[in-house]
Formats: sequence, C-alpha cells, structure tokens
Amino acid sequence: DVKVTQSSRYLVKRTGEKVFLECVQDMDHENMFWYRQDPGLGLRLIYFSYDVKMKEKGDIPEGYSVSREKKERFSLILESASTNQTSMYLCASSWTSGRQQFFGPGTRLTVL
Amino acid sequence: QKEVEQNSGPLSVPEGAIASLNCTYSDRGSQSFFWYRQYSGKSPELIMSIYSNGDKEDGRFTAQLNKASQYVSLLIRDSQPSDSATYLCAVLEGGATNKLIFGTGTLLAVQP
Repeated sequence: DVKVTQSSRYLVKRTGEKVFLECVQDMDHENMFWYRQDPGLGLRLIYFSYDVKMKEKGDIPEGYSVSREKKERFSLILESASTNQTSMYLCASSWTSGRQQFFGPGTRLTVL
Repeated sequence: QKEVEQNSGPLSVPEGAIASLNCTYSDRGSQSFFWYRQYSGKSPELIMSIYSNGDKEDGRFTAQLNKASQYVSLLIRDSQPSDSATYLCAVLEGGATNKLIFGTGTLLAVQP
C-alpha cells in the first residue's frame, strides 16, 4: 500500500515566519509534487521534483522554495509566510513509469 | 494555458440514481485521465483511471473517454449517500512531463 505522509495536519504561523512542510513517501517514487488547494481555484502546482536534488517550478512558485535531499522526502519552504499563503497544502508522489499520483493527508496552514 | 473544465455543481441526485460527471480538456496531447474523489477536509483519492477511448468499468463506477471530443466522464450507478463528495478530473499533460492538470471539481450530493 502506497503511503504518503505529511508532517502536520494543522499548522498556525505568524506573518514573516519561516515555515517548513515535510512530505515522506515509502514507495520509492521518483516524482514528488507540492500543491495548494483553495476554494474555487482547485489544485495548483507549486513545485515538483523528478529526482533527488532536482526541482522544477510549477504554476505558482512565488514565495515558496523546495528541497529534496533524499528520494523519499520532499520539503516545501515558505521563506517569509504571508496571510495569502493560508491554504491546504497537499503533497503527492508517483512513479516515472506510472501516471497516477498518490496524495498525502494534507496540511491546513493558517498564517495570522 | 492547458485547462481542464468541470461544472462546479452541486449535482444533486437521489439515492439509487445514476450520477453523471463530465470533464473537458484542452491538451490534445494528453493520453492519461483520472478521476479522484475528495471528501470534505480530506485529500484526493484515486477512483478511476482511463487511457484509451471507450468505457472502463469498475464496480459501480464507469469512466468514459472520447479523445476526439476531448471529453471524459464518470458515471456512478446506484448512487449512495457515501458517494457525496467532490470529484476531481485530472489529465496528464502531454509530452514527457508527469504533471497532472486538475479541474476545479464537481460537488456531488446524493440525497437519501
């Protein structure tokens, strides 16, 4: 059974804080993704990674960075959190040869 | 900009009826299509994938694909209240990427 875990289900941070969201998958997937989901806007891709130390910008990378030092772990970093980054953050992973993505449980981040 | 369009709903059907969910996409190079179900406050879970034209059945679910019309649909037979959720259509971007493009989802409400 594929398992994707995220470090927190709920997180409350203050404006200007540096925020780390961690994602770990246990199926040796090459690809990992970070999305945010907002009402009416659907899932929007922030960053993705095809391999260790590789990263690619998605559709809305501004204000975010990522790190992938190990194959199983993909971190999303908010360098200086702002209120407009309040959202549900979803991590996903997939095999290169496969096509479907498997999602973690999500982190609901509130920035005050 | 590659797009996936869905009617946001809500689509309301009585228990036991057939629910029909529709999706259109703009990327003619897309070859892989997915339906995810998302309960309120939870992350998306894959329920169907389809890769070739025609119908694919899995239990009460049938996915239909028409690449010429760039149209994907999901039929849910004998709808149950537990099917009440948001259904996300996702299309794998054409080419060598592993990026999924998501629609904003259709909210399905099955009335007991």
